[in-house]
Amino acid sequence: SQTIHQWPATLVQPVGSPLSLECTVEGTSNPNLYWYRQAAGRGLQLLFYSVGIGQISSEVPQNLSASRPQDRQFILSSKKLLLSDSGFYLCAWSVALALYEQYFGPGTRLTVT
Amino acid sequence: GQSLEQPSEVTAVEGAIVQINCTYQTSGFYGLSWYQQHDGGAPTFLSYNALDGLEETGRFSSFLSRSDSYGYLLLQELQMKDSASYFCAVKPGRRALTFGSGTRLQVQP
Repeated sequence: SQTIHQWPATLVQPVGSPLSLECTVEGTSNPNLYWYRQAAGRGLQLLFYSVGIGQISSEVPQNLSASRPQDRQFILSSKKLLLSDSGFYLCAWSVALALYEQYFGPGTRLTVT
Repeated sequence: GQSLEQPSEVTAVEGAIVQINCTYQTSGFYGLSWYQQHDGGAPTFLSYNALDGLEETGRFSSFLSRSDSYGYLLLQELQMKDSASYFCAVKPGRRALTFGSGTRLQVQP
């Protein structure tokens, strides 16, 4: 069966510090991968998605970046965090032909202070 | 671009039936998905409609009318564990999903 891992679960970082969040998927090959951010009590904002190694599409211009160094690994990064980067970050995967059905990781709750 | 509208909150009692509506505007449309998210948890997939009509999965059903750009999620025999946020999401094309802002369902005893 497929499993998606995200870490860390919670993170408190000062403004201006770097960020690296990692997501890995097990049990499937060549998945579509997604990074979302969710503000408290709000919907899901798509940040990045990837259809393959090294292929990243950015949905929202910001100080975040994403990379996919391996087929089942997706990394979200920032060189300098802003207060507005606080939120619940969710990684998800889907089969390429069924992207309407996405499977989410447990999420990382990031607080920028 | 894409926009989705759904009510922000709905309250119902245990055992009742509740309908959560979703209207959308999108430049392209392949289908409408529904997701459930409990507080502090991750969203989980509930259903997908690509064609007009009703799809039933146990106590949950989802409906789509492409001509009206409208869909709904129907929850029957409500249980306390159904208290959660429910998101509709459109698949506008080959791009990724666009999610609505969510409807918070509170089930009361």
